[in-house]
Amino acid sequence: AQSVTQLGSHVSVSEGALVLLRCNYSSSVPPYLFWYVQYPNQGLQLLLKYTTGATLVKGINGFEAEFKKSETSFHLTKPSAHMSDAAEYFCAVSDRQSSASKIIFGSGTRLSIRP
Amino acid sequence: DARVTQTPRHKVTEMGQEVTMRCQPILGHNTVFWYRQTMMQGLELLAYFRNRAPLDDSGMPKDRFSAEMPDATLATLKIQPSEPRDSAVYFCASGLEVGELFFGEGSRLTVL
Repeated sequence: AQSVTQLGSHVSVSEGALVLLRCNYSSSVPPYLFWYVQYPNQGLQLLLKYTTGATLVKGINGFEAEFKKSETSFHLTKPSAHMSDAAEYFCAVSDRQSSASKIIFGSGTRLSIRP
Repeated sequence: DARVTQTPRHKVTEMGQEVTMRCQPILGHNTVFWYRQTMMQGLELLAYFRNRAPLDDSGMPKDRFSAEMPDATLATLKIQPSEPRDSAVYFCASGLEVGELFFGEGSRLTVL
């Protein structure tokens, strides 16, 4: 069974500071990995995804994440936080071996940005 | 601009009443997912469909919840009878087989 663990339910950084949101996964097969963002009163939207190839993937709004198989991690980073980055972020995993894969989400990390 | 459409956006009902939530997936997407979001449990997968066929509804309380796709343009999630513990935001999402999901804006359900 697949699972995702997000360390830290709430992260607060200053505007302009580095953003680091942690995600570790558990999967018996090579997974597909995703980061989604949810703004207040909205549905989730995809930030970035890792499927195959380059382990460092870039997404929208300046975010990127690196797949590290040895650490079973897929941490999300952004060099310089902006006030508009305040939102909830979800890491997710999917079983690439299945012909009809479901996506399992982590518990989410709320990102706050201090002026 | 293609998007997933969910109705109603808000629903307040009394315990014991039937609730039906509807979702119009993006045209051409072959998978549809229903998730429930609460503060306590986060995002829970309730059910999902591929090519209109139900693949997994193990996350759904079978005695009161049912999910169907009567056609490719409509997915429904029904609760009968509703209970206060069902209060949550219910999201529908559609996508292709192994790829990104496109979420609707959610249906916020309050059961009194």
